[in-house]
Amino acid sequence: SAVISQKPSRDICQRGTSLTIQCQVDSQVTMMFWYRQQPGQSLTLIATANQGSEATYESGFVIDKFPISRPNLTFSTLTVSNMSPEDSSIYLCSVWDNEQFFGPGTRLTVL
Amino acid sequence: ILNVEQSPQSLHVQEGDSTNFTCSFPSSNFYALHWYRWETAKSPEALFVMTLNGDEKKKGRISATLNTKEGYSYLYIKGSQPEDSATYLCAFNYGGSQGNLIFGKGTKLSVKP
Repeated sequence: SAVISQKPSRDICQRGTSLTIQCQVDSQVTMMFWYRQQPGQSLTLIATANQGSEATYESGFVIDKFPISRPNLTFSTLTVSNMSPEDSSIYLCSVWDNEQFFGPGTRLTVL
Repeated sequence: ILNVEQSPQSLHVQEGDSTNFTCSFPSSNFYALHWYRWETAKSPEALFVMTLNGDEKKKGRISATLNTKEGYSYLYIKGSQPEDSATYLCAFNYGGSQGNLIFGKGTKLSVKP
C-alpha cells in the first residue's frame, strides 16, 4: 500500500497570498490526484496529475487558480493562488496503486 | 450531475450500541462503491471496495452491503467502541476511471464510553 505525506499539515494565510502544498509518495505511481473538502461539503476532485503531462482539471477548477506540478513519479505540488476565505478547506493528495490511497490532508484557513 | 447522499449526517451512540449508515448513489454507470473511515488529521482509511450487486463484506465489527440496482449501500458497526469515532465516507466510482470518485458528505460517528 502507498504511504503519502503532505506538507504543511495546516496553515493560516492572508487573503491574496498563495500557498504551495507538497505531496510525497513512498512508491512510484502514475496517477496522482488532488481533492479538497470545503466546510460541510463533500470531498471534490480538483485535478488529476500525471507525470510528464499537464494536469487535467475538473469542471469549476482552473490552472491559474490551482497550478499543479508533477516533476517525477513520487512527488506533486498544488498551489492555491490569490487566496480568498472561500479557499479555506482541507486539501488532500491521493494516488491510485491498485486502490485509492489518500494523504493526511492540509488544513488551510484563509483570513 | 452525479450525486452521492449519506445519512444520517451525524450520529451519537453509546459504547456497545450497534449502528448503521446509508449511502445512496446513481444506479447507472456503476463501477465500484468505496467506504472510507476518516479520523481528524489522519488519512482516510479504505474500509471496503464493493463492485457486485448483493455483495456483503466484513472487516472485524464493520460490515457493508451493496445494492447496485436500487443504488444504495449500508455500513454496519456492531458493538460500537470509542475508537470507532470518525467520519465515514462513501464514494461512487463510475465508468472505472481511476481516482475520479464522487464522495458523499460523510456520516460523523461519535461513540461515548
